[in-house]
Amino acid sequence: DAGVIQSPRHEVTEMGQEVTLRCKPISGHNSLFWYRQTMMRGLELLIYFNNNVPIDDSGMPEDRFSAKMPNASFSTLKIQPSEPRDSAVYFCASSHRVANEKLFFGSGTQLSVL
Amino acid sequence: DQQVKQNSPSLSVQEGRISILNCDYTNSMFDYFLWYKKYPAEGPTFLISISSIKDKNEDGRFTVFLNKSAKHLSLHIVPSQPGDSAVYFCAASPNYGGSQGNLIFGKGTKLSVKP
Repeated sequence: DAGVIQSPRHEVTEMGQEVTLRCKPISGHNSLFWYRQTMMRGLELLIYFNNNVPIDDSGMPEDRFSAKMPNASFSTLKIQPSEPRDSAVYFCASSHRVANEKLFFGSGTQLSVL
Repeated sequence: DQQVKQNSPSLSVQEGRISILNCDYTNSMFDYFLWYKKYPAEGPTFLISISSIKDKNEDGRFTVFLNKSAKHLSLHIVPSQPGDSAVYFCAASPNYGGSQGNLIFGKGTKLSVKP
């Protein structure tokens, strides 16, 4: 099993540009989560999907953030326009929708907005 | 307001000794707790969990203790090994039996195990 695959590993962009982060969950997992890690706030849940449907997006900081899951094997997190305060590590995670099933995290995308 | 607190940002321990990582929570509705370990440039990986019906769960060198009255849990690593050097995240959920979508993470404790 290849695990959760995220791309790119690193992204450096200028303020105002659009940023798209990508995630491929583990095959057979039907829940997908986007987290953001910063020094100040630690690991925060941004949004999660069950069976490709967004369930809770209350963690999405602003309308500049959007996420989609067009099928069971792909999800994107988009920031448009990006701002320096969006600089963080963004993690995607997946799990079976079974009670207390643990999360499997990808290696993350290190985003730097200049 | 942080619902899950790891008050020690870092901890240094000698190889072979015990490492004790602490976690406090404020929400009495939390009833499922997990520890994740994170190496640099990698995502967190699940380590061990405990439900509120237990006060201890053990897996090899790792033991998690839960004190519900004090709203406190701890992770013990015995004996500590240099490969245990990582950031450890405590996480809590109010929904035992439900989705992991409501996991609340602490900010992590960086453990350094010195040879």
